[in-house]
Amino acid sequence: DQQVKQNSPSLSVQEGRISILNCDYTNSMFDYFLWYKKYPAEGPTFLISISSIKDKNEDGRFTVFLNKSAKHLSLHIVPSQPGDSAVYFCAASSTSGTYKYIFGTGTRLKVLA
Amino acid sequence: NAGVMQNPRHLVRRRGQEARLRCSPMKGHSHVYWYRQLPEEGLKFMVYLQKENIIDESGMPKERFSAEFPKEGPSILRIQQVVRGDSAAYFCASSPQGQETQYFGPGTRLLVL
Repeated sequence: DQQVKQNSPSLSVQEGRISILNCDYTNSMFDYFLWYKKYPAEGPTFLISISSIKDKNEDGRFTVFLNKSAKHLSLHIVPSQPGDSAVYFCAASSTSGTYKYIFGTGTRLKVLA
Repeated sequence: NAGVMQNPRHLVRRRGQEARLRCSPMKGHSHVYWYRQLPEEGLKFMVYLQKENIIDESGMPKERFSAEFPKEGPSILRIQQVVRGDSAAYFCASSPQGQETQYFGPGTRLLVL
C-alpha cells in the first residue's frame, strides 16, 4: 500500500532547462509535504517543504506546487545545473499524527551538461 | 553547527550477531526518528523517540529490533540476531519539535554476511 508515489524512476534534463519532478499521494490526512535530495552514500538533504494551507512555495531555484484536489505535488528546478543530479524523494506527513514521514520511492534526476 | 551524526558509517555483521547503531541529533533537537532504506526503495519509517520515551514504533519489526533515546547520550537502534534481510541503510533524523522539519544524518550501512 504505497501512500506516496513517484511514478518516474528517472528523468534527464539539459543544463539550464527546467526539471519537473512529480509526486502523488493517497492519504487525505497528509498536510505537510517535503522534498529531499540524496546523493549516493549520503543522507537525504532537505530542499523545500509546503503546508497544505498553501499551493506554492519558492526558495531560489526550487519551487514546490501542491494541488490538494488532485493529491499531487511537484518540484520545479529552474535553471537545472549538473550539481542537481541526484535522487529526489518526496515525503508526506500528518501534523495531527506523530509526524513520521512517508517517502516515495524516488526519482533519479540527471542534468546533462 | 554539527549536523546529525551517525556511527558507525559502515557495519558488517555475521548472521546471529548483534548490530548497534548510534545517532546523535543536532544540537537543540530532542526528537529522533529512525528510517530504513532497502536497495532501490524509498525510506521507511521505523520509530520516533523523544528523550527517554518511544512515541511511535509502528514501523519497527516486532522481534529483534529495539530503540532507545536515553536522557544522556545518543539514540541507539539495536538489532539482535541479525539476518541477511536486515542488510540496508539505516538513517536517523532529528527535529527541534515533533512538527518541524527533520534533518537526516549520513546513515549507517549494515551488511549481514
